[in-house]
Amino acid sequence: AQKITQTQPGMFVQEKEAVTLDCTYDTSDQSYGLFWYKQPSSGEMIFLIYQGSYDEQNATEGRYSLNFQKARKSANLVISASQLGDSAMYFCAMRVYSGGYQKVTFGTGTKLQVIP
Amino acid sequence: EPEVTQTPSHQVTQMGQEVILRCVPISNHLYFYWYRQILGQKVEFLVSFYNNEISEKSEIFDDQFSVERPDGSNFTLKIRSTKLEDSAMYFCASSVPIDRRGVQETQYFGPGTRLLVL
Repeated sequence: AQKITQTQPGMFVQEKEAVTLDCTYDTSDQSYGLFWYKQPSSGEMIFLIYQGSYDEQNATEGRYSLNFQKARKSANLVISASQLGDSAMYFCAMRVYSGGYQKVTFGTGTKLQVIP
Repeated sequence: EPEVTQTPSHQVTQMGQEVILRCVPISNHLYFYWYRQILGQKVEFLVSFYNNEISEKSEIFDDQFSVERPDGSNFTLKIRSTKLEDSAMYFCASSVPIDRRGVQETQYFGPGTRLLVL
């Protein structure tokens, strides 16, 4: 069974500072993808970044980077230079593709608040 | 930029009634998904759909739920007899596999339909 754990229900960060949101995962499958989504108070889900299990380099997308440590089964999201608009819920998710089927599991989320 | 659209944005229904939630995925996408998010809780996977059939479903997706791609553009989720606990935000998503090992990358979410069952 797949599992995503986000241990930080809420975090505060000062504007312009960097912040790391933790995510650990558990799966026995060798081929999987890890994602981070942002959910503002308006409710939509916004894709931020993706890391494939076979990717050797950490993914980066602008101010977002994914610190992928496969041996530790962690996929932490790093947001550099936080902005007020970064205040939102952040969800880590894993997609497993095995035997022609796919399954998606989300974590419980981390609520980030950026302080001016 | 292409986007996933969902209608209606809000729906209120009586317990026991049937509801159909509609989604228009991005046109060249091949995989389609439904998720739900009960207020204040995490996003839960319901079902994935590929090549006109369900490829995976969760334990939430019981006989009360069904999905359909009635034409080349729409992807629907039907709840046959709604229960109070079906009240949630329902998200549709779509993606196209681009990873060489078959693991899909970006999944694009629609804005969601907020369903309230009274």
